[in-house]
Amino acid sequence: DSGVTQTPKHLITATGQRVTLRCSPRSGDLSVYWYQQSLDQGLQFLIQYYNGEERAKGNILERFSAQQFPDLHSELNLSSLELGDSALYFCASSVGPGGRFLSYEQYFGPGTRLTVT
Amino acid sequence: TQLLEQSPQFLSIQEGENLTVYCNSSSVFSSLQWYRQEPGEGPVLLVTVVTGGEVKKLKRLTFQFGDARKDSSLHITAAQPGDTGLYLCAEGRGNQFYFGTGTSLTVIP
Repeated sequence: DSGVTQTPKHLITATGQRVTLRCSPRSGDLSVYWYQQSLDQGLQFLIQYYNGEERAKGNILERFSAQQFPDLHSELNLSSLELGDSALYFCASSVGPGGRFLSYEQYFGPGTRLTVT
Repeated sequence: TQLLEQSPQFLSIQEGENLTVYCNSSSVFSSLQWYRQEPGEGPVLLVTVVTGGEVKKLKRLTFQFGDARKDSSLHITAAQPGDTGLYLCAEGRGNQFYFGTGTSLTVIP
């Protein structure tokens, strides 16, 4: 158990809909990262928050957004869903903001499997 | 842009055999992490290597960081079925984080 929790574990929805994925980081970790993993794209970094502020953006679509709340939990919002958005979405947490190797030691949650039909 | 190349992509071996998987970059790593991911689960951090030439051991797993810090290898001795999984190398560069495409290892009992 990494200490990172994600809900829901599975989500099935239709094209055009909007969903929210939730993540709670490990106790004491201030950074939250979101990743998308699909068979053809591997594990893709989407976005990072550190202590409530957006820290870095990766390959995140404009239809996707995220935020980190004062209690440090984070939500990833996916809207206007398309079939191609079906994937595993992982949240990870780390102690620091990045820039130092300890900050890159990330602890992953169990993931949310999103299926868009 | 894929910065990290891992090889081989797939590996299937018998229990008890040894194996090595590789992670390479055209740029110098500041540090490198290795993760193992089992199907349907999140990656689990195995080790971080930081210093060129560094060797770290984790039970039957030996991790090596190249002298020039542009490559790394993971060697597993006497593989067991529990070693089955996707092995990923990963690197942080500034505020970005990149994973390699992984080596999918299957250890047959």
